[in-house]
Amino acid sequence: EPEVTQTPSHQVTQMGQEVILRCVPISNHLYFYWYRQILGQKVEFLVSFYNNEISEKSEIFDDQFSVERPDGSNFTLKIRSTKLEDSAMYFCASRGEREGPWGDTQYFGPGTRLTVL
Amino acid sequence: GQNIDQPTEMTATEGAIVQINCTYQTSGFNGLFWYQQHAGEAPTFLSYNVLDGLEEKGRFSSFLSRSKGYSYLLLKELQMKDSASYLCALNQAGTALIFGKGTTLSVSS
Repeated sequence: EPEVTQTPSHQVTQMGQEVILRCVPISNHLYFYWYRQILGQKVEFLVSFYNNEISEKSEIFDDQFSVERPDGSNFTLKIRSTKLEDSAMYFCASRGEREGPWGDTQYFGPGTRLTVL
Repeated sequence: GQNIDQPTEMTATEGAIVQINCTYQTSGFNGLFWYQQHAGEAPTFLSYNVLDGLEEKGRFSSFLSRSKGYSYLLLKELQMKDSASYLCALNQAGTALIFGKGTTLSVSS
């Protein structure tokens, strides 16, 4: 069964450094997402991406963050100058077109645990 | 804006049936999802409702009443592996999912 993959599984960085989190969505999907989950808290939406541009973003997704689809398979989240409060699990998700009863379903990758020291 | 409420914790025994409720207030509605999340893992899709009524998928069923802003997830024949967090998520507008805080279910033998 196709699945979303993410690398790395763990990333430790120093405050102020830039990090890039990578995702390979399910191959025929067209909508891509980043969510984050701070330890013990709820999953929070960051950004959605469709047709090579951002389609929605939350208040969390400020100028510190950017997303890119550099080629036909990868989808990346860049955090420019990391802060302590960026420590969280970051999930990538993807979704196909609306086909069938489950067409709106987003499928999540295993996550990247980011620790900012 | 939107607000999603779920009980924080529930307990049940193996073989039993448990119902996890979710109430919401939202200015727009495109669908309601239920996800399961084991500790340290990604959310995995369980069920989706966009119209009122019951959707059944094996041991899991989900119900939606849009007029009442209410949904529930029903888990039958509980197994130990069902111990996890169950996340109610709203698709308010566009395609972004807005998650509730989740309900942690503990299944004991």
